[in-house]
Amino acid sequence: SQQGEEDPQALSIQEGENATMNCSYKTSINNLQWYRQNSGRGLVHLILIRSNEREKHSGRLRVTLDTSKKSSSLLITASRAADTASYFCATDRSNDYKLSFGAGTTVTVRA
Amino acid sequence: NAGVTQTPKFQVLKTGQSMTLQCAQDMNHEYMSWYRQDPGMGLRLIHYSVGAGITDQGEVPNGYNVSRSTTEDFPLRLLSAAPSQTSVYFCASSVGTANTGELFFGEGSRLTVL
Repeated sequence: SQQGEEDPQALSIQEGENATMNCSYKTSINNLQWYRQNSGRGLVHLILIRSNEREKHSGRLRVTLDTSKKSSSLLITASRAADTASYFCATDRSNDYKLSFGAGTTVTVRA
Repeated sequence: NAGVTQTPKFQVLKTGQSMTLQCAQDMNHEYMSWYRQDPGMGLRLIHYSVGAGITDQGEVPNGYNVSRSTTEDFPLRLLSAAPSQTSVYFCASSVGTANTGELFFGEGSRLTVL
């Protein structure tokens, strides 16, 4: 069964705006990751946040993790057309090699 | 480095046929895995391996076999294809010490079973 679920399922924004998507999960995790998938391509790793971290930045990406609420958010600032893609959260549990993905959020950035 | 290479990119099978999806990585990664991606369902783990000679089942292993005779290769075998196995298959690898870590994905193999 899927551990993580993203919200919203789809998001359409204007270039230059910020995009925020959320991920909720069910059981305790070791770390949480975010991936991007462009249409017809493989997934690309964006960022990993460990269970003892609360916030992490990478370029225009900001990820937060709230383990008490079992949720994470991904913020993309100053979006560009090239950010149009599907975004997935993935979680794994301690001593567990089974990385579990959510169904993803499809982001469309309009020029 | 080529990263993770999957072949073939596209394949059409008839029900009952067998085939092997190939996956190779040149990063000396211990961990390798196979996922299938279906619309609206994200990625589901089929099988994974934490090193040569070691394989284990994921979330949806039925109808698939794997082996890991070398660090580089992790083929996925469909023994008797069924229409329910129509999907896009992704192979992924990682350094994999203690847990999965950052996965590197191939470009996918799109399989249609008629």
